[in-house]
Amino acid sequence: AQSVTQLDSHVSVSEGTPVLLRCNYSSSYSPSLFWYVQHPNKGLQLLLKYTSAATLVKGINGFEAEFKKSETSFHLTKPSAHMSDAAEYFCVVSDRGTYNTDKLIFGTGTRLQVFP
Amino acid sequence: ETGVTQTPRHLVMGMTNKKSLKCEQHLGHNAMYWYKQSAKKPLELMFVYNFKEQTENNSVPSRFSPECPNSSHLFLHLHTLQPEDSALYLCASSQERRPSGMNTGELFFGEGSRLTVL
Repeated sequence: AQSVTQLDSHVSVSEGTPVLLRCNYSSSYSPSLFWYVQHPNKGLQLLLKYTSAATLVKGINGFEAEFKKSETSFHLTKPSAHMSDAAEYFCVVSDRGTYNTDKLIFGTGTRLQVFP
Repeated sequence: ETGVTQTPRHLVMGMTNKKSLKCEQHLGHNAMYWYKQSAKKPLELMFVYNFKEQTENNSVPSRFSPECPNSSHLFLHLHTLQPEDSALYLCASSQERRPSGMNTGELFFGEGSRLTVL
């Protein structure tokens, strides 16, 4: 069965400094991996996804993530944090549900705080 | 806006009440989902409807009853809930492919209905 582990429940950075949100996955086959973001009082929004093409995936708002099979990791990075990046970030791995409906397995989330 | 609208945004109900949550998507998708988001816990998939057919019921108690009259609308009927059912209930939709093959995995979420059970 697939699973994801987000290694940090909270990450705090200063505006303008790099962001690193860590995620490790477990999968019995070649996974699809995603990062979703949830701003306060909002639903989740897809940031980026990896589906076995290029291992370095670029997403919206300057975020990117690198798929490393040898490390079973899919860490999310951004070179320079902005105040608007403060949100909850979820690492997600796909599982195969019934009737070919993907079942997404969500991590517990990492809350990113950005200080001025 | 994501194209997925949930109402009401906030709901307070007693344990003996009956209420419903509504979700509507304007994206032309053919699959809709209910998720439960509780503090300190991963997002929990509750139900999936694919082409109006329920394809997933993730061992959800019968006090939660979903209804999907068409591909654009999804309801969650609530009856005799418990305080531990207080949570944010998120609706999502996606475009699924048939008959087989990996889907995009991209879900479009509504902003959620915050439920408090007293």
